[in-house]
Amino acid sequence: AQSVTQLGSHVSVSEGALVLLRCNYSSSVPPYLFWYVQYPNQGLQLLLKYTTGATLVKGINGFEAEFKKSETSFHLTKPSAHMSDAAEYFCAVSRIQGAQKLVFGQGTRLTINP
Amino acid sequence: EPEVTQTPSHQVTQMGQEVILRCVPISNHLYFYWYRQILGQKVEFLVSFYNNEISEKSEIFDDQFSVERPDGSNFTLKIRSTKLEDSAMYFCASSERAANLGQYFGPGTRLTVT
Repeated sequence: AQSVTQLGSHVSVSEGALVLLRCNYSSSVPPYLFWYVQYPNQGLQLLLKYTTGATLVKGINGFEAEFKKSETSFHLTKPSAHMSDAAEYFCAVSRIQGAQKLVFGQGTRLTINP
Repeated sequence: EPEVTQTPSHQVTQMGQEVILRCVPISNHLYFYWYRQILGQKVEFLVSFYNNEISEKSEIFDDQFSVERPDGSNFTLKIRSTKLEDSAMYFCASSERAANLGQYFGPGTRLTVT
């Protein structure tokens, strides 16, 4: 079975500061990993994904994430936070083959302070 | 940019009534999914659909639930006899080939069962 744990249900940073949202996964098979963002009253938007190849992946809006197999982590970072980054962020995992449902973490609400 | 659409945005129904939630996936996508998010909880997988049949379903997806692709564009989720605990945000998603390329989500339908 697969599972995802996001450390911190709420993260607050100042505008211009580093954003770090933590995600750890558990998977008995090699995973594919995703970050989604949900703005208020909107659906989930794919931010970035790791499938194969380079372990540092870049996404939209200046976000990136690094797959670290030894740490079973896929933390999301952005060097400089912007007010428009305020949203809920979800980490998700799927298997490479077979059942390909997404298993989500509980989400992290990011607040940006002016 | 193509997007997944869902109707209605909000549905209020009485316990025991049938509801049909509608989705129009992205046109060249082949895989379709339903997820739900009870307020304050994780996004949970309900069912995946490919080649006109269910490819996987969760324990939540019991006999009260059904999915259908009645024509070339719509994908529906029916709840036969709603319960209070079915109140949630229901998200439709689609992917071009498989989940590992990323699933694209609609804005959701908020279902309120009274």
